[in-house]
Amino acid sequence: SSELTQDPAVSVALGQTVRITCQGDSLRSYYASWYQQKPGQAPVLVIYGKNNRPSGIPDRFSGSSSGNTASLTITGAQAEDEADYYCNCRDSSGNHVVFGGGTKLTVL
Amino acid sequence: QVQLVESGGGVVQPGRSLRLSCAASGFTFSSYGMHWVRQAPGKGLEWVVVISYDGSNKYYADSVKGRFTISRDNSKNTLSLQMNSLRAEDTAVFYCAKDGGFGEAAVFDYWGQGTLVTVSS
Repeated sequence: SSELTQDPAVSVALGQTVRITCQGDSLRSYYASWYQQKPGQAPVLVIYGKNNRPSGIPDRFSGSSSGNTASLTITGAQAEDEADYYCNCRDSSGNHVVFGGGTKLTVL
Repeated sequence: QVQLVESGGGVVQPGRSLRLSCAASGFTFSSYGMHWVRQAPGKGLEWVVVISYDGSNKYYADSVKGRFTISRDNSKNTLSLQMNSLRAEDTAVFYCAKDGGFGEAAVFDYWGQGTLVTVSS
C-alpha cells in the first residue's frame, strides 16, 4: 500500500494565505480529497477532484496537484479555519484508500 | 438531507466481538459505495473497509482483514461492521462515510457522527 505524508502542524496569520501539502506516489495517479476536522466533530469534505468544492464550502478553499504532491490552499484564513486537515486518495492497488497523517492548522 | 447515524459502540474485552451499524437516509443508499473509517484517540484517520453499492465487492485494510466483516442491507438502508477478535489497538471512534461516486477518486462526501469502540479488560 501507499503512504501520504503531511506536515504535522502549520500556522498562518489571520487573513493570510496558507498552503497545506500532501505527498505520495499514489497522487501521480489519483486526485486527493481534503477533509477538515474540528475537535469533537466528524470530518467534513472541503476539496475533491481537480479543484472542486462541495456546496457550502467557502471559495477561500482551493486545491491543486503537481506530480506526487497535492495542496490545499486557504486564501485569507479565518479563525474558524483552525482545524486538522487530512488528505486521502486511493492507493496503488486502486481498491484501498489511504489517509495522510493530518496537519494541524493554527490561525494566529 | 443526507444523514448517517452510527450505533453499536461500547466497551468490549480483548478477543470479543462487536457489531456496528450505520443507518443511512436522505439519498439513494443502494447507489453508493460505503466506507468505515476509524480514529484512535488523539490520532489521525485510518481507512478500514469499503463495500460497493451492491455489496459484491469488499476491500479491507490489512490491519483488520480476517477479523472484520462489512455488509449492507439495501432494503433497510443499513451498513454494518462485524468486528471479531478485537484488540486494544482497535480502540477508536468508528465513522461510516458515503462514497461520493466519483469513480477513481476517493471522495467521502458525508460522514456520520461516529461511535466509540473501547477494547479493554
